[in-house]
Amino acid sequence: DGGITQSPKYLFRKEGQNVTLSCEQNLNHDAMYWYRQDPGQGLRLIYYSQIVNDFQKGDIAEGYSVSREKKESFPLTVTSAQKNPTAFYLCASRHEWVEDSPLHFGNGTRLTVT
Amino acid sequence: GQQLNQSPQSMFIQEGEDVSMNCTSSSIFNTWLWYKQDPGEGPVLLIALYKAGELTSNGRLTAQFGITRKDSFLNISASIPSDVGIYFCAGQLYYKYIFGTGTRLKVLA
Repeated sequence: DGGITQSPKYLFRKEGQNVTLSCEQNLNHDAMYWYRQDPGQGLRLIYYSQIVNDFQKGDIAEGYSVSREKKESFPLTVTSAQKNPTAFYLCASRHEWVEDSPLHFGNGTRLTVT
Repeated sequence: GQQLNQSPQSMFIQEGEDVSMNCTSSSIFNTWLWYKQDPGEGPVLLIALYKAGELTSNGRLTAQFGITRKDSFLNISASIPSDVGIYFCAGQLYYKYIFGTGTRLKVLA
């Protein structure tokens, strides 16, 4: 079955450590996104990529980095520069060049930094 | 960042009742999307709307794309206990999506 796989489901890190969240999709989607979800707030865009080897900063990119070396994969690194990294992180994807292609989400990674 | 105004924030209803929620924005969107999210899980797409005035159903769910392109509503008919969760809207303009803060629905059996 096609879908978006995020791993791990739960991640615990000590403050000061970088951590990488995985996102893989087998939907042949061109565009991939990373969002952060905090209680009581709407999803906020961290980074997005419309094509391999290209990505753009979203609204809250500071303290995060991404890469897009393969169409299927869009890993997110939460660096020690991110002031408040504890959150629920969601990866999403869609067809970029197909009209009326909605955004689909993975099941999320909950990151806790202590 | 920009967010959509989604209401109500939460609602408790009896099983079998109909539910209505809506999203409004000061911006125009090309697409409106409605999602349901269970605790600790990713959002699941319920309905996608692509044209102003469009009315679309998915089982007991019905959603409409406002004629001004600045609002949308979602109705759930004859609610059941498994409808519990957080529902949120999203407006799309090109690559960018703006999300509502969600409506938390609780269904009392």
